Amino acid sequence: TQLLEQSPQFLSIQEGENLTVYCNSSSVFSSLQWYRQEPGEGPVLLVTVVTGGEVKKLKRLTFQFGDARKDSSLHITAAQPGDTGLYLCAGGRAGGTSYGKLTFGQGTILTVHP
Amino acid sequence: DAGITQSPRHKVTETGTPVTLRCHQTENHRYMYWYRQDPGHGLRLIHYSYGVKDTDKGEVSDGYSVSRSKTEDFLLTLESATSSQTSVYFCAISEGTNVLTFGAGSRLTVL
Repeated sequence: TQLLEQSPQFLSIQEGENLTVYCNSSSVFSSLQWYRQEPGEGPVLLVTVVTGGEVKKLKRLTFQFGDARKDSSLHITAAQPGDTGLYLCAGGRAGGTSYGKLTFGQGTILTVHP
Repeated sequence: DAGITQSPRHKVTETGTPVTLRCHQTENHRYMYWYRQDPGHGLRLIHYSYGVKDTDKGEVSDGYSVSRSKTEDFLLTLESATSSQTSVYFCAISEGTNVLTFGAGSRLTVL
């Protein structure tokens, strides 16, 4: 069973601070997704990274896939209260019926105080 | 939610009763999935389908069965609900990649 360790589990910060969430595994993934989830709703895809060393930016969010495709990080610059939510990383494999059978991290609950 | 509807959204039932959760999509996607979400565990795959009448087990399939008689509908059945199946259940769809679109979830409480 592939495991994806996500840390920290909880993060409580003030508006304007920077933060980083980590996702680590001993297994290689063909792709890594980051999702954000609001209470009472399903996860919503933020980004997919597929190449080792890849860096993607989405406004104040920066996502990185490790060179060996075993780990990933999400960095938020100047956090805002609207960033509050549950952040989930998920690793996937490629090929046939392997698609969509994602391994999720435990999630990071982020609270940004005004 | 990109054309995914889950029903019911909330259900309370008693131990030993059968429960069926329904996922309906209007995207005509071939692949559909059922995940459960529990604190400290993230989401875990229960069952998935790669076409009509083509289904397979995921990581936590014990106690669950699924059926897919039409492209748009994927049913998850708990034949005899147990308290350990209290959870939030999410249906997801994909076009055959690792990019999933999730429904809003069904919260099930088994007393």
